[in-house]
This record gives sequence, structure tokens and C-alpha cells, in this order.
Amino acid sequence: TQLLEQSPQFLSIQEGENLTVYCNSSSVFSSLQWYRQEPGEGPVLLVTVVTGGEVKKLKRLTFQFGDARKDSSLHITAAQPGDTGLYLCAGAGITGGGNKLTFGTGTQLKVEL
Amino acid sequence: DAGITQSPRHKVTETGTPVTLRCHQTENHRYMYWYRQDPGHGLRLIHYSYGVKDTDKGEVSDGYSVSRSKTEDFLLTLESATSSQTSVYFCAISRTGSNEKLFFGSGTQLSVL
Repeated sequence: TQLLEQSPQFLSIQEGENLTVYCNSSSVFSSLQWYRQEPGEGPVLLVTVVTGGEVKKLKRLTFQFGDARKDSSLHITAAQPGDTGLYLCAGAGITGGGNKLTFGTGTQLKVEL
Repeated sequence: DAGITQSPRHKVTETGTPVTLRCHQTENHRYMYWYRQDPGHGLRLIHYSYGVKDTDKGEVSDGYSVSRSKTEDFLLTLESATSSQTSVYFCAISRTGSNEKLFFGSGTQLSVL
């Protein structure tokens, strides 16, 4: 079973601060997805990274896939209250079909005014 | 937003009773999934379907069964609900099974007393 550990579990910061969320595994993934989930709703995909070392930017969010494709990070610059939510990483296995993503345990982010 | 409807949105039931959750999609996507979300565990795959009448087990399939008689509907059944099945259940869909992005429904909060 492939495991994905996210850190930190909880993060409470002030508006304007920067933060980084980490997603780590001992397994290699063919690709990694990041989702954001708001209370009472399902997760929504933010980005997919596929190539080792790949960096993708989505406005103030920067996503990086580790060179060995075992880890990933999400960096938010100048956080805003609208960034509040549960951030989930999900890795796609090297073998096996059916889109059996392995989800991390999530990072709950709260951005206060 | 992807057309995914989960019903019911909330349900309270007693231990030992059968429960069926429904997922309906209007996107004509081939793959459909049932996940459960619990604190500290992230999202865990219960069962998935790769076509009408084609289903397979996920990571936590014990105590659950599924059926897919039409492309648009995917049912999750708890034959005899237990308190350990208290959780938030999410349905998801994807166009293909090749680690493509998942679209999630809004979830069903199930409480087994």
C-alpha cells in the first residue's frame, strides 16, 4: 500500500503570510494531484504534476514535484482568507489501472484577517 | 461544475439496517468511484466502476457492495450498517482510468447509531 503523509496537519496563519504544505511518500508516483476542499463540499482539483522536478504556478500557489517523484510541495504566497480549506495531495501509482489514487491525510489551512 | 448528484446528503440510521447511497452523473464519464473520508485517514477508495456492470474493490471494501446498471448511476450499499461505517461518503467520476482528474460530488454524511 502506498502511503502519502502531509504536513503540517493544521495551519492557522494571518492574511499576507506565506506558507508551505508538504506531501511525502517512500513510493514513486507517476503523477501527483493537489485538491482543495471546502466544508460541505467535495475536493476540487487544483493541479496535476507529472514530471520529476516540475513546477507549476496557479496565481499565488506554486506546486513542485520532487525530482524522484516521491514528494511534492504547495507554497502559497500572501495567503488570503479565501485560501482557507483542506488541501489534499493524491498520488497516482506506477502500476495498476482504475485511477486508484492514494490520498494524503490533508492539511487544514485557516487564514485569518 | 461537473454534474454529479449524491443522495441523500445526510442520513442517520441504526446499526444492522441496510443503507443505499446513490450517485448520479450527467457527464457520461466511464469511471465512477466511492470514497469515504474520515479524520486522520484522508479519502479512502471503497469500490470503483469502469463501466456498466464492471466494478472492482478498493482499499476498504469490506462491508460494502456496489452496483452500476446504467452509465449515469452508481449505488453503494451497506448491507448491515455498523458504527465504524459512520463517515462522509463521496462519489467521484473520471473520463478515463489513466490517473485523470477526479470530479467529486458534494458528499453524504452518514451516521450509524
